[in-house]
Amino acid sequence: AQKVTQAQTEISVVEKEDVTLDCVYETRDTTYYLFWYKQPPSGELVFLIRRNSFDEQNEISGRYSWNFQKSTSSFNFTITASQVVDSAVYFCALSPGDTGTASKLTFGTGTRLQVTL
Amino acid sequence: GAGVSQSPSNKVTEKGKDVELRCDPISGHTALYWYRQSLGQGLEFLIYFQGNSAPDKSGLPSDRFSAERTGGSVSTLTIQRTQQEDSAVYLCASSQNSFAGDTQYFGPGTRLTVL
Repeated sequence: AQKVTQAQTEISVVEKEDVTLDCVYETRDTTYYLFWYKQPPSGELVFLIRRNSFDEQNEISGRYSWNFQKSTSSFNFTITASQVVDSAVYFCALSPGDTGTASKLTFGTGTRLQVTL
Repeated sequence: GAGVSQSPSNKVTEKGKDVELRCDPISGHTALYWYRQSLGQGLEFLIYFQGNSAPDKSGLPSDRFSAERTGGSVSTLTIQRTQQEDSAVYLCASSQNSFAGDTQYFGPGTRLTVL
């Protein structure tokens, strides 16, 4: 069985602060995929990043960066110099890869990020 | 191109009535997924389609729930004899291929309220 844990239910920061959202996962698959999605107040889930289990390189995209560590089964997401527009619920998700075929996403419970002026 | 679209955006129904929710995936996407988002249960997988067949229906909560996909495109999720616990946002997603780990792109959802 697959499981994703986002222990932080809610985080509040002041604009321009850096913030890290934690994600810990459990899987028995040797191949798997990790994702982060953003859900702004409008409600639509927006894809941010996909990472496969064989690629442990950290990734940076503008103010966003992701740290994937297989040793600790974590895939953490950092927003540098946060902005009010970053306020949203962020979901970490896991998908199996051993079968080679498409499969469901298992989501964490989400972390609500509130960025204030 | 256009993203995943869902209709209606909101649906209010009375307990015991049947409802149909529609999903139009991104053009050319072969895999289609249904999820449900509710306060108590978070984001739950319901069913997914490869083409018109459904290899995984494991998330459907009861036999009142069914889904079909026709022409490898549009999908309909049907809930019969709705109950108050069916109230949730129903999300549809599609992915380009049916390969493991393909990115799923989500629609705006249908908010279902059962009175």
